[in-house]
Amino acid sequence: AQSVTQLGSHVSVSEGALVLLRCNYSSSVPPYLFWYVQYPNQGLQLLLKYTSAATLVKGINGFEAEFKKSETSFHLTKPSAHMSDAAEYFCAVISPGFQKLVFGTGTRLLVSP
Amino acid sequence: ETGVTQTPRHLVMGMTNKKSLKCEQHLGHNAMYWYKQSAKKPLELMFVYNFKEQTENNSVPSRFSPECPNSSHLFLHLHTLQPEDSALYLCASSQGQTDNSPLHFGNGTRLTVT
Repeated sequence: AQSVTQLGSHVSVSEGALVLLRCNYSSSVPPYLFWYVQYPNQGLQLLLKYTSAATLVKGINGFEAEFKKSETSFHLTKPSAHMSDAAEYFCAVISPGFQKLVFGTGTRLLVSP
Repeated sequence: ETGVTQTPRHLVMGMTNKKSLKCEQHLGHNAMYWYKQSAKKPLELMFVYNFKEQTENNSVPSRFSPECPNSSHLFLHLHTLQPEDSALYLCASSQGQTDNSPLHFGNGTRLTVT
């Protein structure tokens, strides 16, 4: 079975501060992991993906995530938040052979000036 | 032109109405998906088509009926819906129904059932 847990339905940061969005996964085999972002009134957009190559994955808009097998985590970070980063972020996991992507419940990022 | 286009963007329908949602992808992908997004719930996969063949029906009620006439078009036919069916319906496509093919989403249809 595979699942993903996103800790914190809302995260608030100030502009320029570090962004850290948490994602923990459960999978019986080494998984593929994704982060998607959803801006208001839009669909989801791929930020980055981990597919068993480098454990530190760089994505669009300055975001990156690190795969840590020992912690079953795939947290999303950005060194300096921008107002335009305010959106909802979804972590997703798929176990090879399952062919079914499982999404977390999402974390809404709020950025204040 | 965006990669995945959904129409209409908003739809209000009564419980006795029949309506259809349309999705079109311009990415040359072979797999297409319908997802339901409700507040405070994870995205729910409804249907998957791979090379026009339905490969997944995630225990969706029969009042939702998908149609995939070709690899570029996907429809969701709706009839006798319930108020709890009100949600954002997202269409997505991917290169194939493989494990690491990322999904490309449309902007969704916001459905309200009255």
